[in-house]
Parts: sequence; C-alpha cells; structure tokens
Amino acid sequence: DAGVTQSPTHLIKTRGQQVTLRCSPISGHKSVSWYQQVLGQGPQFIFQYYEKEERGRGNFPDRFSARQFPNYSSELNVNALLLGDSALYLCASSLLSGTSYEQYFGPGTRLTVT
Amino acid sequence: DQQVKQNSPSLSVQEGRISILNCDYTNSMFDYFLWYKKYPAEGPTFLISISSIKDKNEDGRFTVFLNKSAKHLSLHIVPSQPGDSAVYFCAASASYQKVTFGTGTKLQVIP
Repeated sequence: DAGVTQSPTHLIKTRGQQVTLRCSPISGHKSVSWYQQVLGQGPQFIFQYYEKEERGRGNFPDRFSARQFPNYSSELNVNALLLGDSALYLCASSLLSGTSYEQYFGPGTRLTVT
Repeated sequence: DQQVKQNSPSLSVQEGRISILNCDYTNSMFDYFLWYKKYPAEGPTFLISISSIKDKNEDGRFTVFLNKSAKHLSLHIVPSQPGDSAVYFCAASASYQKVTFGTGTKLQVIP
C-alpha cells in the first residue's frame, strides 16, 4: 500500500514568491494535517482538514492557506515568502476515528527561500 | 510557549540496555499522547500512543508510561537495538485537535 506522498521533494523559491505544496493521503484516510519543521525543532502544526473542512489552524499568518479536495488530497499554499519560511513541510494523514489518532507522515517537502 | 518539552536533546545507550526517553507537558487538557521516531530525510513514523485514561501501554519492545499528576510521560525501549538510533518526538493532543510536538531527543544506540 502506498503511504503518504508529497510533491515536490525539494523546492527553492525567492522572497516574495508564492509556493504550492501537494499531499496525497493514505487510501481511506480522510484527514490531512500540515506541519512546518525548522531545523532543531519539532513539527509545528499549521492546518488540519477533515472531509474537506478545516478542523484546526495553528499560529501561522494568513499567508498560509490550504484546502482539501474530494479525493482527500490536499494543497498547502504560502504567499509572499519570507526567508523564515525555509523549512521541511510535512503532511500527515489519519483515519480520525474513535481513539485512534495515529498520524502517518509523508517524507516532506524541503522548501528553501533565498 | 513550549507545551510539550523534551529536556534531553540527546541520549546514548549501549545495545541491549534500556533506553528511557522523557517528556513533560504543561497543558492539562491534553488527553492523548504519542511517540514518533524520525530518521534523516524521512517523515516521522508513529511508534506508540496512550490515552489519558491509561497509565501504561506496551507494544513489543516499546512501553509508554503516563503520570498525569506529574504531567510526565516516558518511552522505554527494551532491549535497545542499533536500528533504534533516531530522533524521537513526544507529541500530545486535546480532544483530537491539533497535535503539539516536543523538540525531540536524538537516541544513539551503540553496538
């Protein structure tokens, strides 16, 4: 079975540009969450989507937005890139049912802003 | 405000011995706790979890202990193996809302 997939693997952008990152969850998973991980830190929650609805938002500026499609794939969009947006962006999918909240992460997209 | 804290950035253990990774949290609303393992160039991998209604959960070589009064949890790995060398993240969630991660502990298991 395919795990969580993310594209692209690496990306280099210039300050002020916009970027779109993509994520495909594990088949059957309806929840997708996005995280930002900077070097030396743990992943920081950005968004959670479940059944195409936003279920949670972390402490990130409005430059960050996301959406989930009918097939449960998701996109994370970041506008007006800053140097500080350079990080590993992780997508995680989960079933979100009962007491099971184990998330399965993709390999991430490494974004470098110059 | 770091609600989930892993105060040991690194830990070295001999192969076959027990590894104990610690985690403290401050938010009393957290009701679900998870441990993830991360290898370089990969996303975190779910290891084991525990609900706040339990104080222990075991899965093979991995056991998580939860002390709610102390707001402390620990992950025990017995016996430790060289393949366990990775960064371990403690994470917590309240009512299936966002998951808050700690900063990680790098475990090195020495053959």
